[in-house]
Amino acid sequence: LAKTTQPISMDSYEGQEVNITCSHNNIATNDYITWYQQFPSQGPRFIIQGYKTKVTNEVASLFIPADRKSSTLSLPRVSLSDTAVYYCLVGRDDKIIFGKGTRLHILP
Amino acid sequence: EPEVTQTPSHQVTQMGQEVILRCVPISNHLYFYWYRQILGQKVEFLVSFYNNEISEKSEIFDDQFSVERPDGSNFTLKIRSTKLEDSAMYFCASSLQGLAIQETQYFGPGTRLLVL
Repeated sequence: LAKTTQPISMDSYEGQEVNITCSHNNIATNDYITWYQQFPSQGPRFIIQGYKTKVTNEVASLFIPADRKSSTLSLPRVSLSDTAVYYCLVGRDDKIIFGKGTRLHILP
Repeated sequence: EPEVTQTPSHQVTQMGQEVILRCVPISNHLYFYWYRQILGQKVEFLVSFYNNEISEKSEIFDDQFSVERPDGSNFTLKIRSTKLEDSAMYFCASSLQGLAIQETQYFGPGTRLLVL
């Protein structure tokens, strides 16, 4: 599994766009990049997955540069309910190894 | 949207007692997982299960733990003799296929286990 590095915590305000960057310098050719979200006292929830360039769904966008050594999760116009821990995961394995993630705190 | 369900939502038990945590994975999924999260800590992988066999387990998953798929719908985690340090939130997850990072895993709401 590729090691990932992401900020421990971030604060933002309602209505802002939030970008969380994850570094994964030793990503392998076949690895996908996946982001999960975890609200307090709930199970992790899949947000988005990508391999290269840009992926967008109804929740977020994922930007992956050509070298794939990093990725950025973009949350448009966040609300208080987006307060959660966001995990960046890279690899191909029959289990998920969660890091500490990024604790995003949205302020009113 | 189909979802993973878990029962009970909360369980309190005495040290040394056996507990069984139950999960109903999404019906057409083939891979099943248990994770745990001690309060304030990371989500930790315990075990993966496919084709009625354990496919991988972590160091946490020692002889006190066992998993079973007793029928076509339930997936259980048994802790034979609970310890104080087993207190945690236990999450069940399922996916259609393996290679978990690439294949979306769907997590249940968790069972909060408190060992006294």
